[in-house]
Amino acid sequence: NAGVMQNPRHLVRRRGQEARLRCSPMKGHSHVYWYRQLPEEGLKFMVYLQKENIIDESGMPKERFSAEFPKEGPSILRIQQVVRGDSAAYFCASSPNYINRSPLHFGNGTRLTVT
Amino acid sequence: GDSVTQMEGPVTLSEEAFLTINCTYTATGYPSLFWYVQYPGEGLQLLLKATKADDKGSNKGFEATYRKETTSFHLEKGSVQVSDSAVYFCALSVPGANSKLTFGKGITLSVRP
Repeated sequence: NAGVMQNPRHLVRRRGQEARLRCSPMKGHSHVYWYRQLPEEGLKFMVYLQKENIIDESGMPKERFSAEFPKEGPSILRIQQVVRGDSAAYFCASSPNYINRSPLHFGNGTRLTVT
Repeated sequence: GDSVTQMEGPVTLSEEAFLTINCTYTATGYPSLFWYVQYPGEGLQLLLKATKADDKGSNKGFEATYRKETTSFHLEKGSVQVSDSAVYFCALSVPGANSKLTFGKGITLSVRP
């Protein structure tokens, strides 16, 4: 039973380029969360999605960031026109049900470096 | 808003030493509390959790007790091993339709042989 799969593991982008981060949740999981981890900081919530729906995007920057979780295929976190401050580790987590009844399962993350 | 405060790190201990990592929280509702562990280059793994006051979560020799009166969820282990070296995150979630985790900053534990 594969865990949460994120790819790529490492992504290097120049300023102004686009970054696309992919997350395949565990089989049977329909809830996906994206978190960002900056150096020396904890994980910050970005967005919570269910299939084809954004449920909570209160942690997403208002510009350049978007997320989707289509009916078929992985969840995608998209960052347009990246800047150096976007360099961070981005983690995806999935759950089959609401968090209090089942824990989040995290992927190994995508480490984005903007040069 | 909801928040989690962890003690400042990093922490360095000798093998078989006693470990305490402090965690306190502020929450608008009645939260569930979690400890996650992150090994180098990996994602977070759930270590233990507690969902109501006075519950004790335990796993792999680690324990934490949900103390509502002191809003704390301190992590303890009686005898640490080198393999326990990792980053430890305290987290909470408040029940609701958008039950997301709020994390503390994490603390790095290094255990010397």
